[in-house]
Amino acid sequence: DADVTQTPRNRITKTGKRIMLECSQTKGHDRMYWYRQDPGLGLRLIYYSFDVKDINKGEISDGYSVSRQAQAKFSLSLESAIPNQTALYFCATSDTTGEGDNEQFFGPGTRLTVL
Amino acid sequence: AQSVTQLGSHVSVSEGALVLLRCNYSSSVPPYLFWYVQYPNQGLQLLLKYTSAATLVKGINGFEAEFKKSETSFHLTKPSAHMSDAAEYFCAVSVMGFKTIFGAGTRLFVKA
Repeated sequence: DADVTQTPRNRITKTGKRIMLECSQTKGHDRMYWYRQDPGLGLRLIYYSFDVKDINKGEISDGYSVSRQAQAKFSLSLESAIPNQTALYFCATSDTTGEGDNEQFFGPGTRLTVL
Repeated sequence: AQSVTQLGSHVSVSEGALVLLRCNYSSSVPPYLFWYVQYPNQGLQLLLKYTSAATLVKGINGFEAEFKKSETSFHLTKPSAHMSDAAEYFCAVSVMGFKTIFGAGTRLFVKA
């Protein structure tokens, strides 16, 4: 079974709709992340969470919100989707460390299309 | 501020040829550096990482990378390309131990 799972894998929605992307992990990691991937831009951080009570904005958080329901679950919401939020979204986890070794473990991604 | 630059958004090699994917970083502190690979319709997976131990790092699938502080580089190499190496490759730097900055990615094409 996959360690990091994302649902749905594909979603097509319309402008203005609210949508939630879900992420679950069985790795037991405290840290979870949401990224979006756009061609030629690599991955950009939307939000990250160190534990259930700690949520932080990344570099492109406008238009998104998150919820950390449990150590294993981290959801990303688009309150009112717009076409430029069409992208591939990844959830990732990493283990807690005092060093800089922040190896990340990724889910399979959710391809979101906003019409 | 930390940053990562990957030179070349696309690289094409023949099967059996040397693979060289270039990455330069900027960091005000000793960096932790990573290479990730993304196969079609999949998430990213770690190829290798530099964590201030040996400067020549060996990873999975025959890939390796050398950390060169004087050149601020962390180029990825493989002596002989295989068709299965066709994928997108991302160089990344860890910032303050919890954030990762990714490069824009290099798509590798392998010709038969």
